[in-house]
Amino acid sequence: NAGVTQTPKFQVLKTGQSMTLQCAQDMNHNSMYWYRQDPGMGLRLIYYSASEGTTDKGEVPNGYNVSRLNKREFSLRLESAAPSQTSVYFCASTGTGNQPQHFGDGTRLSIL
Amino acid sequence: ILNVEQSPQSLHVQEGDSTNFTCSFPSSNFYALHWYRWETAKSPEALFVMTLNGDEKKKGRISATLNTKEGYSYLYIKGSQPEDSATYLCAPRGYNFNKFYFGSGTKLNVKP
Repeated sequence: NAGVTQTPKFQVLKTGQSMTLQCAQDMNHNSMYWYRQDPGMGLRLIYYSASEGTTDKGEVPNGYNVSRLNKREFSLRLESAAPSQTSVYFCASTGTGNQPQHFGDGTRLSIL
Repeated sequence: ILNVEQSPQSLHVQEGDSTNFTCSFPSSNFYALHWYRWETAKSPEALFVMTLNGDEKKKGRISATLNTKEGYSYLYIKGSQPEDSATYLCAPRGYNFNKFYFGSGTKLNVKP
């Protein structure tokens, strides 16, 4: 059982380049999330999707877009990468009721 | 955005010591509190999901209590071991229970 799978694991971009981070879960979860993790700041919510077809902004959505392609997949896009977006990005999912979140292994993104 | 505070930010203890740390959150619109354990170079893993005032949860040497009226939760580790070294995150859920707001965590280092 793979759980939550993120790709790629590492990426280096130049300022202004675009890229999409992929996330897929195989647990039939309704809700999916994208977080960024910066030193001393814990996990900050970028966007989330409560169910297929819906997306909402979190704490730090500027500079990002998301797509909930289907129930399994939730992608995060950086249209024009900036050095301030250098971070580790985590995708997570959760089922109905009060279940905990399941996290992917993270994507380490560096923007030069 | 929920204002979540965790203290202390970091903690260094000797093997065998017992320790505890705090998660504070707004007591209004409370729905649930999640605790996660996050080891370096891994992804966060769920420890406890707590919902009721006075709730106590236990997993091995780790336990947690919840006070929803005053807005805090304590995590206790009895007889710390080096393998307990990790960052411990709390995440309360408010009335918009699809969102999680993480504290910045308590980083525990247990010396052999």
